[in-house]
Amino acid sequence: AQSVTQLGSHVSVSEGALVLLRCNYSSSVPPYLFWYVQYPNQGLQLLLKYTSAATLVKGINGFEAEFKKSETSFHLTKPSAHMSDAAEYFCAVRTNDYKLSFGAGTTVTVRA
Amino acid sequence: DTGVSQNPRHKITKRGQNVTFRCDPISEHNRLYWYRQTLGQGPEFLTYFQNEAQLEKSRLLSDRFSAERPKGSFSTLEIQRTEQGDSAMYLCASSPLAGDTQYFGPGTRLTVL
Repeated sequence: AQSVTQLGSHVSVSEGALVLLRCNYSSSVPPYLFWYVQYPNQGLQLLLKYTSAATLVKGINGFEAEFKKSETSFHLTKPSAHMSDAAEYFCAVRTNDYKLSFGAGTTVTVRA
Repeated sequence: DTGVSQNPRHKITKRGQNVTFRCDPISEHNRLYWYRQTLGQGPEFLTYFQNEAQLEKSRLLSDRFSAERPKGSFSTLEIQRTEQGDSAMYLCASSPLAGDTQYFGPGTRLTVL
């Protein structure tokens, strides 16, 4: 069964510092991987996705993620954190033709 | 696109009552999904429609839960005889038939007292 594991339930960074959120996947087939962001009391917004094309994927709001098959990882990064990046971030893998399996999420806090 | 909409946004009910939520997907999206998200967790898949056909139901969806998508447009999720354990955010998403991205609505937060 395909699944993802997010390492670290909480990440605190200073404004302007690097944001690094870790996601490892388990899949017997080439995976489709996604990062979503959720602001308080809102739904999920797609940040970026990997669908077997380029291994370095650029998304919205300055985020990017790199697919590393050898490490079964799909970590999310942003070079310089902004206060507006404070939110919860979810990594997900598409488990068949349609179903998404999500990680438990990582809450990002940005310190001024 | 106006996005996926869900109503109501919040619902407070007493244990044992029935509740119904509505989801309006993005126009012309053939696929519609329901997920449930409890506090501190990622969303969990509940069920999936392709047009009006319900093609999969998670084991999380007990007999008290029923979902419909008449005419392949909006969908409703009904919970009968609510229990405190049903308290969660219920998320709806839609996607085109050939697309790989699911677009989520704002969710309906259910509180069962």
